Amino acid sequence: QKEVEQNSGPLSVPEGAIASLNCTYSDRGSQSFFWYRQYSGKSPELIMFIYSNGDKEDGRFTAQLNKASQYVSLLIRDSQPSDSATYLCAVNPTGFQKLVFGTGTRLLVSP
Amino acid sequence: GAVVSQHPSWVICKSGTSVKIECRSLDFQATTMFWYRQFPKQSLMLMATSNEGSKATYEQGVEKDKFLINHASLTLSTLTVTSAHPEDSSFYICSAYTGTGVQETQYFGPGTRLLVL
Repeated sequence: QKEVEQNSGPLSVPEGAIASLNCTYSDRGSQSFFWYRQYSGKSPELIMFIYSNGDKEDGRFTAQLNKASQYVSLLIRDSQPSDSATYLCAVNPTGFQKLVFGTGTRLLVSP
Repeated sequence: GAVVSQHPSWVICKSGTSVKIECRSLDFQATTMFWYRQFPKQSLMLMATSNEGSKATYEQGVEKDKFLINHASLTLSTLTVTSAHPEDSSFYICSAYTGTGVQETQYFGPGTRLLVL
């Protein structure tokens, strides 16, 4: 069973703070990793993908991947109330196109 | 960025009728598309993998005769909910892949909200 685990939250942070979202996965051979944001009532929106160990930055977002420890994280700097949403971690296991999704972490950014 | 569209965005139908939902990749070709369903406050649930030019692959527990999938071209997949019942009311979302190798990325359509009365 290929699994992706996330804390369901909610993770509450004040506006301007750094939000840290974490995800662990079970398939050691997984090749690529994705973070999606889903607002209530909307479909998931791709924020970032990462496939190499280390950090990848895009604006206020930084994805971090550690394959040895089998975790991937998403940091959101200068969090805004508009960042309040559910963040889905997804993993592409070896040899498959189907993504395996975590259940998502709900982020609440308070003004 | 890659754009996936869905039509319609909202549909209300009577119990027993069939509903067709279209998923299009607007600026890229997609040999594989996916259909998901999401109930309120629940996780995404993969229903099936739609393969261009061949039969769809359904996830365990999904009735293939109830949820008909046709992927007739590299930019269009359709999901038909046949003989819909109130329990089929849900948010249906499609996605499509673009890119190659480890950079393959899945983009989602905006979703179709189905209400069966």
